[in-house]
Amino acid sequence: DAGVTQSPTHLIKTRGQQVTLRCSPKSGHDTVSWYQQALGQGPQFIFQYYEEEERQRGNFPDRFSGHQFPNYSSELNVNALLLGDSALYLCASSFRDSYYEQYFGPGTRLTVT
Amino acid sequence: AQSVTQLGSHVSVSEGALVLLRCNYSSSVPPYLFWYVQYPNQGLQLLLKYTSAATLVKGINGFEAEFKKSETSFHLTKPSAHMSDAAEYFCAVSGGRLTGGGNKLTFGTGTQLKVEL
Repeated sequence: DAGVTQSPTHLIKTRGQQVTLRCSPKSGHDTVSWYQQALGQGPQFIFQYYEEEERQRGNFPDRFSGHQFPNYSSELNVNALLLGDSALYLCASSFRDSYYEQYFGPGTRLTVT
Repeated sequence: AQSVTQLGSHVSVSEGALVLLRCNYSSSVPPYLFWYVQYPNQGLQLLLKYTSAATLVKGINGFEAEFKKSETSFHLTKPSAHMSDAAEYFCAVSGGRLTGGGNKLTFGTGTQLKVEL
């Protein structure tokens, strides 16, 4: 049973560029959440997708956008990258909006230079 | 709004000693509480969860936590530390069904556990 997978593992971008990160949820899950984890910090909630719609959003600017596909996989897009966007981006999946637990992927390490 | 506070950003114990990692929460509704572990360069693994059933929750790898409403605490313990327990531990809270707001997790700032010989 495949868990949550994310790609790429690492990414280096230049300030001002755009980036797309990808996530495939655990088998049987239909809800995907994205978190940003800056170095030395706890993860911060970016947004959540269910039924191809954004259901909840954290305190992140509109430069952060996402999409969910019919197969439940998801993308996180960040435009006009800033140095402060350098972080580990974690994807988590769950069934519906199960309140019990979310399963996390290994993350994508984004470095903005 | 919900939040969690983890007391002590670094905790060091000897192998075989008791592990105690502290977490206090703030929530206007009955919370769901979680402990996650993160090994270097990896994602988060769920250790245990409290979802308003038994107040003493047992998780994986010998860890357990007790929900104490009167103290608004959810401290993580393990009777005997092992070298493989060295990692970063995060406490997290979600609002549960009463908030109607989905299962967004709010994390603490983490506690780095070091286990010494």
